[in-house]
Amino acid sequence: DADVTQTPRNRITKTGKRIMLECSQTKGHDRMYWYRQDPGLGLRLIYYSFDVKDINKGEISDGYSVSRQAQAKFSLSLESAIPNQTALYFCATSRGRETQYFGPGTRLLVL
Amino acid sequence: AQTVTQSQPEMSVQEAETVTLSCTYDTSENNYYLFWYKQPPSRQMILVIRQEAYKQQNATENRFSVNFQKAAKSFSLKISDSQLGDTAMYFCAFLTSSNTGKLIFGQGTTLQVKP
Repeated sequence: DADVTQTPRNRITKTGKRIMLECSQTKGHDRMYWYRQDPGLGLRLIYYSFDVKDINKGEISDGYSVSRQAQAKFSLSLESAIPNQTALYFCATSRGRETQYFGPGTRLLVL
Repeated sequence: AQTVTQSQPEMSVQEAETVTLSCTYDTSENNYYLFWYKQPPSRQMILVIRQEAYKQQNATENRFSVNFQKAAKSFSLKISDSQLGDTAMYFCAFLTSSNTGKLIFGQGTTLQVKP
């Protein structure tokens, strides 16, 4: 079984809809991250969490929110989706400031 | 602000040959980590290799090795005996020494291994 899972793997939604992307990990890592990947660009950090009670904004947090429901679960919400949020979204985990391990990604299309 | 630059958008190599992907970065920090990640068509981000800045010895992982030049802020990836399965986009990434744990990625290099 994969150590870091993301659901759904693909999602099509309409402008203005609220959607949630979910991430779960079995690695026992304390830190979790959400990144966004656009064509021609590397990944950019949206939000990160060091533990259940700690949430921090990354470089592109506008239009997004997150929830760390448990050490193993970290969800990303788009409150009102817009077309320029069409992208590939990755969850990642790490133990402290160590190597980050990525989930399989969620491809989101906002129409 | 830290930046990571990969100046080769696309590269190709014949199977069994060696190829080197370039990466430069800019930082005023002294203690940091550098990574190469591979993203095949399946889009999974896979760790290839990691280098700690305080280590002078270049990291190696089987057919993958790096040339880490700290003074020049250069971190190139060498793939030996290239295989068709190495076809992927490769990202260089820098991990800051600050407590954000933020990875800063380059734009990526698409590598095609030709039979």
